[in-house]
Amino acid sequence: DAGVTQSPTHLIKTRGQQVTLRCSPKSGHDTVSWYQQALGQGPQFIFQYYEEEERQRGNFPDRFSGHQFPNYSSELNVNALLLGDSALYLCASSLATGGQPQHFGDGTRLSIL
Amino acid sequence: GENVEQHPSTLSVQEGDSAVIKCTYSDSASNYFPWYKQELGKGPQLIIDIRSNVGEKKDQRIAVTLNKTAKHFSLHITETQPEDSAVYFCAASITDGLTFGKGTHLIIQP
Repeated sequence: DAGVTQSPTHLIKTRGQQVTLRCSPKSGHDTVSWYQQALGQGPQFIFQYYEEEERQRGNFPDRFSGHQFPNYSSELNVNALLLGDSALYLCASSLATGGQPQHFGDGTRLSIL
Repeated sequence: GENVEQHPSTLSVQEGDSAVIKCTYSDSASNYFPWYKQELGKGPQLIIDIRSNVGEKKDQRIAVTLNKTAKHFSLHITETQPEDSAVYFCAASITDGLTFGKGTHLIIQP
């Protein structure tokens, strides 16, 4: 039973560029959430997607956007990258029915130069 | 919004001893409290969770207690083993997005 998978594992970009990160949820899950984890900190909630719609959003600017596809996989897009966007980006999946728990992938390490 | 405080930031215990990590939350509407373990280079792994209608939950060497009145919850690990060494995060949720604490680095001394 495949867990949550994310790609790529590592990425290096420069300031001002745009990036797309990808996530496949755990088998049977229909809801995807994205988190940003800075070094030495706990993950911070970016947003959640269900039925291809953004259902809830944390305190992140509009530069952060997402998409969910009919097969429940998801993308996180970040525009106009800043040095402060360097972090581990985590995807978590869950079942909408009954909500939690959320299961996490191993993340994409994004470095901005 | 919700705010979660976690203590201590580092905890060192002798192998075989117990470890306790404590968290407080600010929003009384929070109703779901998971604990995650994160090893180096990996994503957070759910180890136990508790909902607001339950005061305590146990799973082998791991237990979580919840005090809704005081708005705090704790993780208890008994008979610690070297493989328990990791960073542990508590979290709280009202609806969907989880609010995490800053983490506790648990070190198991041989």
